[in-house]
Amino acid sequence: EAGVTQFPSHSVIEKGQTVTLRCDPISGHDNLYWYRRVMGKEIKFLLHFVKESKQDESGMPNNRFLAERTGGTYSTLKVQPAELEDSGVYFCASSQWQVPYEQYFGPGTRLTVT
Amino acid sequence: GENVEQHPSTLSVQEGDSAVIKCTYSDSASNYFPWYKQELGKRPQLIIDIRSNVGEKKDQRIAVTLNKTAKHFSLHITETQPEDSAVYFCAASPGGYQKVTFGTGTKLQVIP
Repeated sequence: EAGVTQFPSHSVIEKGQTVTLRCDPISGHDNLYWYRRVMGKEIKFLLHFVKESKQDESGMPNNRFLAERTGGTYSTLKVQPAELEDSGVYFCASSQWQVPYEQYFGPGTRLTVT
Repeated sequence: GENVEQHPSTLSVQEGDSAVIKCTYSDSASNYFPWYKQELGKRPQLIIDIRSNVGEKKDQRIAVTLNKTAKHFSLHITETQPEDSAVYFCAASPGGYQKVTFGTGTKLQVIP
């Protein structure tokens, strides 16, 4: 089966610009998560979708970040306007709505804000 | 919220030796502890996990131990090989579909 895919793999933008990251989960996975790893630190949770609904968005840093999952399939994460501290690797993960709930990760999008 | 601490941040071992990575967690509600391996330029992949009703789990050269009273869990890799070189992340979760809280990662280098 195809794994979690993310697009783009790399993005370099200037401070103040807008960037949209996309995640395609494994087909049939109702749970979709966004995480971020900044400058070699821990992988931090951003938010969790169950189908098209936001189940937990406690990790979203501020209102410059907007996540959507229309139709319960792919998801987008928009950063507008981007700041220098938004640089990092953004990971998407998905899991089934049943045991064992293992989260499968995508390859990540490396975002650099200059 | 949950806080996971991981040590060491870097670890170098000779091929064939053992490697141990230790983690602690803060939230007693956590009962699922996965370990992820991230090779350079690749995605994090689950290599083993343990649940709170189990004290130890082994899969070939990899083993995890959990001390729920002390809120400690560890990854043990025996007979290390160069392909074990990667960044390893421990994590904790209340389980089910809930979010996973990661440690800061351990960069393991296995020297041939």
